[in-house]
Amino acid sequence: SAVISQKPSRDICQRGTSLTIQCQVDSQVTMMFWYRQQPGQSLTLIATANQGSEATYESGFVIDKFPISRPNLTFSTLTVSNMSPEDSSIYLCSVLQDANTGELFFGEGSRLTVL
Amino acid sequence: KQEVTQIPAALSVPEGENLVLNCSFTDSAIYNLQWFRQDPGKGLTSLLLIQSSQREQTSGRLNASLDKSSGRSTLYIAASQPGDSATYLCAVNSGGGADGLTFGKGTHLIIQP
Repeated sequence: SAVISQKPSRDICQRGTSLTIQCQVDSQVTMMFWYRQQPGQSLTLIATANQGSEATYESGFVIDKFPISRPNLTFSTLTVSNMSPEDSSIYLCSVLQDANTGELFFGEGSRLTVL
Repeated sequence: KQEVTQIPAALSVPEGENLVLNCSFTDSAIYNLQWFRQDPGKGLTSLLLIQSSQREQTSGRLNASLDKSSGRSTLYIAASQPGDSATYLCAVNSGGGADGLTFGKGTHLIIQP
């Protein structure tokens, strides 16, 4: 399975600031996704990171708030913009390595606390 | 819209017991189903993947079954150990393999030494 590294693993941020989370995979993957896990909740898909084009966002998530980049097949970033305490969550990068199996793998997550 | 429900929400059992975690989903037209483990504050570890054409998958002490027609999956853990303590998440993929998953809220499992 792919090895997925996320940075930062955790951070404490001030209201109104922005933070960029990086996701690096040790091999080329078909698809990359970003999820959010709010405290005590399950995972919610934010968007699919498309290589070389704009990300595809799920209902309730917009590019201005969560800009995403994917410059190549092994790297993606998620920015959480103009943060508020409601953005305090774990943000997880996920990859689809083999489209035939459809099995997803996840990074260790980035735990953000917004004060 | 696919909905995934996991029962029970929490479970605490003595070490050594065999146990079953349940997952149900509303739309039986699925591509696959995955079981994950999540330790506190951490990411997800894939445990088992069952394709829509399969009935079960096994890995060590874990066995997952799938009954698509009834919209159910179970995760069986044999001879539970304290190290099995974690949250177990069921996720259903209703797309063609490239879509995201719909997650249940998980079962928080505690194995008492």
